[in-house]
Amino acid sequence: AQKVTQAQTEISVVEKEDVTLDCVYETRDTTYYLFWYKQPPSGELVFLIRRNSFDEQNEISGRYSWNFQKSTSSFNFTITASQVVDSAVYFCALSEAGFNKFYFGSGTKLNVKP
Amino acid sequence: GAVVSQHPSRVICKSGTSVKIECRSLDFQATTMFWYRQFPKKSLMLMATSNEGSKATYEQGVEKDKFLINHASLTLSTLTVTSAHPEDSSFYICSARRRDTEAFFGQGTRLTVV
Repeated sequence: AQKVTQAQTEISVVEKEDVTLDCVYETRDTTYYLFWYKQPPSGELVFLIRRNSFDEQNEISGRYSWNFQKSTSSFNFTITASQVVDSAVYFCALSEAGFNKFYFGSGTKLNVKP
Repeated sequence: GAVVSQHPSRVICKSGTSVKIECRSLDFQATTMFWYRQFPKKSLMLMATSNEGSKATYEQGVEKDKFLINHASLTLSTLTVTSAHPEDSSFYICSARRRDTEAFFGQGTRLTVV
C-alpha cells in the first residue's frame, strides 16, 4: 500500500535560516511520482515540484532544493535562507503511475519568524 | 500548467440544506476528476474518483448518498453535500486530470455548516 510520512508536524525557524522538510514514502510500484505542494493559509495547493521514480537527480530552483533517494525512500525538501513568506503547510505526496490517486503526507507546518 | 477552477471558494449554509461545489477544468478536457477533503490541520483525503459519463468511485468510508458527485462533461464535475451538518464543515479540493497526465488542483472550497 502507498503511504507518505512527514514526521515533522511543525517547524519554527528564524528568517534566513535553512530548513529541511522530511518526506518518507512507501510503495510497491516501480513507477510512481513524488510531489511537493505548498498550502498557504488561503488553502490552495501550490505546486512546487514533481519527480518520477526513475529520475534521482537532485533539483534546485532558486532557494528551493530537493533530495530524492530511492535507497531510503525519501524525498526531502530544503529551503535555503528562509523568508517569512515561506510560512505555510507543506505537503509531500505520492502518485501512482497514471496519476490516478494522490497519497498525501500529513503535512509540515513551517513558521518562519522575522 | 493547466487551470482548474473551483466555485465557490467559501460557502456557509444552514444545517439540513444541500450545497453544490463546482470544479471546472478551464483549458483542458478532464477525463478524470478527484474530490478530496481536508479536516482542519489535517492532510487531504481522497473521497472519490469520477470519470466523465460514469458513476463515481467512492473511497471506503465515504457516504455516497451524502456526497453526490456528478461528472457530466469533460470540463465539469460537481460535489453536492446533501443535508449538510456541522460535521461536514471542511475544506474540499478537487483535481482534474487529462488522459495520462498529472492532475491539477482547484483552489478549494471552505464549507461551513451552521
